[in-house]
Amino acid sequence: GQQVMQIPQYQHVQEGEDFTTYCNSSTTLSNIQWYKQRPGGHPVFLIQLVKSGEVKKQKRLTFQFGEAKKNSSLHITATQTTDVGTYFCVKNQKTSYDKVIFGPGTSLSVIP
Amino acid sequence: GAVVSQHPSWVICKSGTSVKIECRSLDFQATTMFWYRQFPKQSLMLMATSNEGSKATYEQGVEKDKFLINHASLTLSTLTVTSAHPEDSSFYICSASSSSGESWNEQFFGPGTRLTVL
Repeated sequence: GQQVMQIPQYQHVQEGEDFTTYCNSSTTLSNIQWYKQRPGGHPVFLIQLVKSGEVKKQKRLTFQFGEAKKNSSLHITATQTTDVGTYFCVKNQKTSYDKVIFGPGTSLSVIP
Repeated sequence: GAVVSQHPSWVICKSGTSVKIECRSLDFQATTMFWYRQFPKQSLMLMATSNEGSKATYEQGVEKDKFLINHASLTLSTLTVTSAHPEDSSFYICSASSSSGESWNEQFFGPGTRLTVL
């Protein structure tokens, strides 16, 4: 099936350091969504990117969608302990065989 | 965002019994509800896509006769695990969404149901 890959699997950072997670798809995406799941919690929607080369910011979070619409990234500037959790990129496309695919996620730990 | 509830939050049952899990969208008209399984420290795996008033679409490898999904209204979907076995023990999460062209809008997730089959 169509795969969505994410790296790294785990990231441990000192509070205040930056963090980036990368998402790659084997096929061109119509859009990409990002979710955050806190330990013991459920996924919460962060953003959806639709346009080629799109860049969106939410405070310290910057999301990018690649020009070829096959990759995306999430960058967090100056991490805080509240950023702890697993970040998933999600492919969703009705017309494809694999309609909704969650990436494996990147688990972020922030050391105070 | 919308609030989605799941009931029960956890359930322990004997092997061979059936368990029903409810997913309610409290303040959102969910034309589509998704059902996922999540194993510890792993990602979410989509089991089925359920559209209100129609049959669910199951992902490859998911037995539709074992995991019965009903989506009778815009605010309620149920997942029934029939003749549960220990290998069905997992965390089941539902989400509510609406359609948008070729894809879906953001998903609002329920808190999940922890199923343990003895």
